[in-house]
Amino acid sequence: GDSVTQMEGPVTLSEEAFLTINCTYTATGYPSLFWYVQYPGEGLQLLLKATKADDKGSNKGFEATYRKETTSFHLEKGSVQVSDSAVYFCALSAQGAQKLVFGQGTRLTINP
Amino acid sequence: EPEVTQTPSHQVTQMGQEVILRCVPISNHLYFYWYRQILGQKVEFLVSFYNNEISEKSEIFDDQFSVERPDGSNFTLKIRSTKLEDSAMYFCASRIAGGLGEQFFGPGTRLTVL
Repeated sequence: GDSVTQMEGPVTLSEEAFLTINCTYTATGYPSLFWYVQYPGEGLQLLLKATKADDKGSNKGFEATYRKETTSFHLEKGSVQVSDSAVYFCALSAQGAQKLVFGQGTRLTINP
Repeated sequence: EPEVTQTPSHQVTQMGQEVILRCVPISNHLYFYWYRQILGQKVEFLVSFYNNEISEKSEIFDDQFSVERPDGSNFTLKIRSTKLEDSAMYFCASRIAGGLGEQFFGPGTRLTVL
């Protein structure tokens, strides 16, 4: 079945460091890909999305590119802030399907 | 900005009791979902609902679970006889018809079964 694998956490960085959180997926066809963020004590918020190969989603300085050849959707940010501390979830929605399939989440902590 | 709301934010119940978790999706959305997240684990799909019927459900969504859209605004998840392992954060989500699969999530209800 469809699945999403994220890099193991937790990840701890210093402010202004470069961030990469790896995400790979397994799905038939052409899924839509998403990154959701969960801040402490809150629900899931859509961070960015991409719906076809080579699409780049971006928001709040975060970017991810839909790479079909490597079945990946890695999240990147050039300079992280303390306020980026949260849990990040990679997810897919398979073509024609209703549900989102989530990765296990990566907890990110940014130290000042 | 419209948002999905959920009540209560925290529900504590005794094992074997029935609970109803409530959600108000975004008003022009037509697809509704429930997910759960056991502490420290990944978010898991439970059920999707469209046109007043279940369109997909997971293995987790057994006979103890049911969903309902009792009026034009609410979307509920009922657990008939709670178990300890039902303790989790339950998220409601909704999305517009068509679109790109983007689902909007509520803040969640934390269910604690004692």
